[in-house]
Amino acid sequence: QSALTQPASVSGSPGQSITISCTGTSSDVGGYNYVSWYQQHPGKAPKLMIYDVSNRPSGVSNRFSGSKSGNTASLTISGLQAEDEADYYCSSYTSSSTPYVFGTGTKVTVL
Amino acid sequence: QLQLQESGPGLVKPSETLSLTCTVSGGSISSSSYYWGWIRQPPGKGLEWIGSIYYSGSTYYNPSLKSRVTISVDTSKNQFSLKLSSVTAADTAVYYCARHLPAAAGTSWFDPWGQGTLVTVSS
Repeated sequence: QSALTQPASVSGSPGQSITISCTGTSSDVGGYNYVSWYQQHPGKAPKLMIYDVSNRPSGVSNRFSGSKSGNTASLTISGLQAEDEADYYCSSYTSSSTPYVFGTGTKVTVL
Repeated sequence: QLQLQESGPGLVKPSETLSLTCTVSGGSISSSSYYWGWIRQPPGKGLEWIGSIYYSGSTYYNPSLKSRVTISVDTSKNQFSLKLSSVTAADTAVYYCARHLPAAAGTSWFDPWGQGTLVTVSS
């Protein structure tokens, strides 16, 4: 099972909105609504930001939203803030022999 | 508030066995529906799911590591453990433990995560 495909980097200015894509196949992203997103600051553990495609855990800012179309899931960060600068990883359940797979990761830079 | 903490040697020799323990505090490892997972991240690279265990001892592993991985649980100590045998330099990574809600529960995520521990494989 290959990793899900994410852009290596995305950047935006404070206050802008950015979207990070996560592309898989019909065996993972496209086949199930079990896509989650994680934020990781340098030297820190990942933090759950979105689960089941579009649900936000308690305590996560509503500036973070998730969606899915076909085999591609997306994480949108609106009103970009300096504290949003981090690495972001998607994850999905898969019907392959490896039931859980992560994305390649995207570095978000706030200009 | 649930917290997880990894512990174990930071340096392992090639061909030996890597052993880590995750201690769960602020909640019971015997909570129904939740699994407990291990995920690793080589330096500068992405995340890789290693495997997960239920408090009953039921496990499932990443097939790419299955022949070398054993995950066990000790409910009396509220801990679960990872053993990875025959390690090589490619196993050098930060190892994280996390609470895992698997897809079979109708939802799926890893949360919270431990702070992670760097394990270096070197002679």
